Amino acid sequence: DAGITQSPRHKVTETGTPVTLRCHQTENHRYMYWYRQDPGHGLRLIHYSYGVKDTDKGEVSDGYSVSRSKTEDFLLTLESATSSQTSVYFCAISDSQETYGYTFGSGTRLTVV
Amino acid sequence: GQQLNQSPQSMFIQEGEDVSMNCTSSSIFNTWLWYKQDPGEGPVLLIALYKAGELTSNGRLTAQFGITRKDSFLNISASIPSDVGIYFCAGPLVGNNNDMRFGAGTRLTVKP
Repeated sequence: DAGITQSPRHKVTETGTPVTLRCHQTENHRYMYWYRQDPGHGLRLIHYSYGVKDTDKGEVSDGYSVSRSKTEDFLLTLESATSSQTSVYFCAISDSQETYGYTFGSGTRLTVV
Repeated sequence: GQQLNQSPQSMFIQEGEDVSMNCTSSSIFNTWLWYKQDPGEGPVLLIALYKAGELTSNGRLTAQFGITRKDSFLNISASIPSDVGIYFCAGPLVGNNNDMRFGAGTRLTVKP
């Protein structure tokens, strides 16, 4: 039933290497979001997109960049991974800013060693 | 930045008991949302509240939007084992609907 898929589901990478996480949707929703989830912090917004090539920073954007060249794909890049970026990353999609019915992906567990 | 303070952090209850959890903020929110997260999955929206004082139900779940707009609570009646999970309150920042803030979550364990 997944209208949103994240890849990879798990990744282990070394400090200093670049990493790209992918979020793919089949719902044609306008809004896409990247969150990270850490114990004691809930979910925190990294970046979001409100259309193709339209992105903006969230609460914890340092060390991350994003790109959206197509409606269906939203990429999150860690240019040079650090241990503090070990986390579970969630993508979410929405077709409206009024109802806030976000649909979340199943997450990517990233470990930086 | 705007913080959502959720309590309790965790709860251990017996099947059939009622549960209450809440969320407070020092800032006003115009919308309050409650999500549930199952292990290994992303959060799923349970209830959305759009007006101060609003009381909304979804099956055994009831949530209220506090009259001051700085708090909300979620009640679960007659808990069952599948209620196990992490419950999050959330709300979009006033002035930026795309910036959704989340509480740290309440982890619920239900003993059969």
